[in-house]
Amino acid sequence: QAVVTQEPSLTVSPGGTVTLTCGSSTGPVTSAHYPYWFQQKPGQAPRTLIYGSKNKHSWTPARFSGSLLGGKAALTLSGAQPDDEADYYCMLSYTGAKVFGGGTKLTVL
Amino acid sequence: QVQLVESGGGVVQPGRSLRLSCEASGFPFSRHAMYWVRQAPGKWLEWLTAISYDASNQYYADSLKGRFTVSRDNSKNTLYLQMDSLSTEDTAVYYCASLIGRDRSDNYYDVDYWGQGTLVTVSS
Repeated sequence: QAVVTQEPSLTVSPGGTVTLTCGSSTGPVTSAHYPYWFQQKPGQAPRTLIYGSKNKHSWTPARFSGSLLGGKAALTLSGAQPDDEADYYCMLSYTGAKVFGGGTKLTVL
Repeated sequence: QVQLVESGGGVVQPGRSLRLSCEASGFPFSRHAMYWVRQAPGKWLEWLTAISYDASNQYYADSLKGRFTVSRDNSKNTLYLQMDSLSTEDTAVYYCASLIGRDRSDNYYDVDYWGQGTLVTVSS
């Protein structure tokens, strides 16, 4: 089964911009992988921020955006806030099966 | 409102079996694909399995090696996960979730429904 890779940890300053990436061991990530980005805070279930590479739910803050960048899925946070400190997971689809990345622990400091 | 309520977790000995349930309400369960996802203590999310809205298709993570079986009873709005040959590595919080549904015109729509999770502890 494919392996999905993410940065283990990243730090961003309040008000700063950071990009999290999501790669696939099978090759470039494309729209066919229907990338998801989830945010998870301690003790809580995950929550979808981005689906289908770049689509947002109604609760997704405007400062988050999704894209495909350089063969990877990317989640960009522009104008980081302390409340954005959390674990972020991407998930890719492989003809029915899904695979999560190992997650990125984002620190806002 | 939408609710997914998992049950059936607890402490089980290695090698034994356990069945988890996930009761859904507040959305058209029979028109939603459903997932099971787990998270070991302090670890990352792991996708386990998916079942289509009508149970005609099931997909599994390779790591499960055929030990887990997903099923659903649309008449009871309930999703199940049968877990056999459990090992200590299966200790985790197990979530049920739905990320996609189909409307009456068979168009897909995206949602984000998660249960609160149920803890399974495999220990002798």
